[in-house]
Amino acid sequence: DAGVIQSPRHEVTEMGQEVTLRCKPISGHDYLFWYRQTMMRGLELLIYFNNNVPIDDSGMPEDRFSAKMPNASFSTLKIQPSEPRDSAVYFCASSLGKETNTGELFFGEGSRLTVL
Amino acid sequence: SQELEQSPQSLIVQEGKNLTINCTSSKTLYGLYWYKQKYGEGLIFLMMLQKGGEEKSHEKITAKLDEKKQQSSLHITASQPSHAGIYLCGAAYINRDDKIIFGKGTRLHILP
Repeated sequence: DAGVIQSPRHEVTEMGQEVTLRCKPISGHDYLFWYRQTMMRGLELLIYFNNNVPIDDSGMPEDRFSAKMPNASFSTLKIQPSEPRDSAVYFCASSLGKETNTGELFFGEGSRLTVL
Repeated sequence: SQELEQSPQSLIVQEGKNLTINCTSSKTLYGLYWYKQKYGEGLIFLMMLQKGGEEKSHEKITAKLDEKKQQSSLHITASQPSHAGIYLCGAAYINRDDKIIFGKGTRLHILP
């Protein structure tokens, strides 16, 4: 079975532009997580979904960030407008959750975003 | 996250030497996860610890969760160049839904 698939792997954009990151979780996983990784702050949880419903978005930095999960096999993280401080690696992960499993997360390869 | 502290932040070790990385939580853990990340890549799951005193091994890597379930140590025996990377501990807490919070990671360099 394919793992978590993220696209694009790399994105370079200019300040003010809209950025959309995409994620396809592992089939059958009912939890999806978006994380952001920087040198300064480490790996931060932005938002997570259970059965396509956002459960906790307290990590979303500000209103410029939004995430959707229209169906069980697809999620997007959008930044509009983007700023240089949004430069980071954005990871998507999926899992079966603690109730039915150990809660182990399966990570995608990440999307490296550079905002000039 | 201040809830989860990892130490050291970075580590340089001669190939063949042993090393230990620590992860301390300010709250009682439901589960503690160890991941490894090669530079520029995604995170790979190593092991999960849940019971106080539990110890697990993955090849030459051993991790233990203390009895109070608030600290874990990851030990690498006879380190190899393939062990280089970033090691992250992640915590799941009781009654905190299913999210996993990560420490800032430990960057491990292995000198040949």
